[in-house]
Amino acid sequence: NAGVMQNPRHLVRRRGQEARLRCSPMKGHSHVYWYRQLPEEGLKFMVYLQKENIIDESGMPKERFSAEFPKEGPSILRIQQVVRGDSAAYFCASSRQGANNSPLHFGNGTRLTVT
Amino acid sequence: DQQVKQNSPSLSVQEGRISILNCDYTNSMFDYFLWYKKYPAEGPTFLISISSIKDKNEDGRFTVFLNKSAKHLSLHIVPSQPGDSAVYFCAATDRGSTLGRLYFGRGTQLTVWP
Repeated sequence: NAGVMQNPRHLVRRRGQEARLRCSPMKGHSHVYWYRQLPEEGLKFMVYLQKENIIDESGMPKERFSAEFPKEGPSILRIQQVVRGDSAAYFCASSRQGANNSPLHFGNGTRLTVT
Repeated sequence: DQQVKQNSPSLSVQEGRISILNCDYTNSMFDYFLWYKKYPAEGPTFLISISSIKDKNEDGRFTVFLNKSAKHLSLHIVPSQPGDSAVYFCAATDRGSTLGRLYFGRGTQLTVWP
């Protein structure tokens, strides 16, 4: 009865490297959301995906960030050429019907540190 | 533009007493509100929600009150227990148009002391 699984839990990258964050939704959930929490801030929406489709990416920076949720396998949030300002906790959440009809279930997050 | 605001970064309450956490919002289109609880190094856990057609929802020790005219909601925890110590996030969404995108406040750190 696994919940939302995120890995890695901690990720350290040097400036300019790429970061890949993975998220496996709860069983039976086909809606995935990515949120970012900067220090001392609340969670900020980044992107909403369903299998093989990006539904809403209005919260994601236009450059360097991308997300996918393939037919098979986990959802991936990719950050290219990381900068220090990307250091944050990145949370993935899933739901069965979409968050406007059922509460989101969050993973434990990936803490990205850019040195 | 912070559409959901939690103006108290922290709250300290004695065990057995009532904890009241407050939340204000600015977007009158929001029609569904949620509270999440978060422990350090974990993800937020859903606690309780309320639709804008109601003004109160209760689940055990937790009650959420919604005042639409004031654009204000509150979470009451009675009686408070030390295990309730966590960061509480208020969140809101407009189910009609934002595909479930949640807007979060910055959180309130609740400490319940024995």
